[in-house]
Amino acid sequence: AQSVAQPEDQVNVAEGNPLTVKCTYSVSGNPYLFWYVQYPNRGLQFLLKYITGDNLVKGSYGFEAEFNKSQTSFHLKKPSALVSDSALYFCAVRLLYGGATNKLIFGTGTLLAVQP
Amino acid sequence: GAVVSQHPSRVICKSGTSVKIECRSLDFQATTMFWYRQFPKKSLMLMATSNEGSKATYEQGVEKDKFLINHASLTLSTLTVTSAHPEDSSFYICSARETSNEKLFFGSGTQLSVL
Repeated sequence: AQSVAQPEDQVNVAEGNPLTVKCTYSVSGNPYLFWYVQYPNRGLQFLLKYITGDNLVKGSYGFEAEFNKSQTSFHLKKPSALVSDSALYFCAVRLLYGGATNKLIFGTGTLLAVQP
Repeated sequence: GAVVSQHPSRVICKSGTSVKIECRSLDFQATTMFWYRQFPKKSLMLMATSNEGSKATYEQGVEKDKFLINHASLTLSTLTVTSAHPEDSSFYICSARETSNEKLFFGSGTQLSVL
């Protein structure tokens, strides 16, 4: 079955330190991978995506993610965390059905807590 | 950027009543919209895919007669929770795919509480 997994429920990091939020996937074919962020009581906001090309993808708010095909991972990273980065982060994979309507499947989410 | 308006943001209703949630794409056309349910432990579950002018496609385990979806125009999809029960209490999120470029935008969600 095609799926995406986020092994950590929560990640704690001190402000100014680098952060990593992990994501692994299991899909057939070439994956379309996404990261979204959700602030309290709000909808999801797009951060970045990987479709093809350079394995290192840069996105909004200084975030980046590295696509690793051999490890089937797409970890989210930021060199220096901010307190305002504290939020819920979702990894997602877009399932393709040969011309039919595509859909986005989400991981279970990782709560990022950045301490001042 | 593109905006998806979801209304209401919060609703409290009595058990047995029906609740309608609207999802509107304000400045773009969306042939396809998606409805998600977010559980307390935060995982997002895709409920159904809504296509303008046709029947919605429901995910396995989602009751189509309980969660009625209508996508009558290119800018509006509605989710009606019929005969709501306390176990239907949840955070519902819609998303709309912009027809011209297939970008996906999310509504701000609806917190449904059934008493």
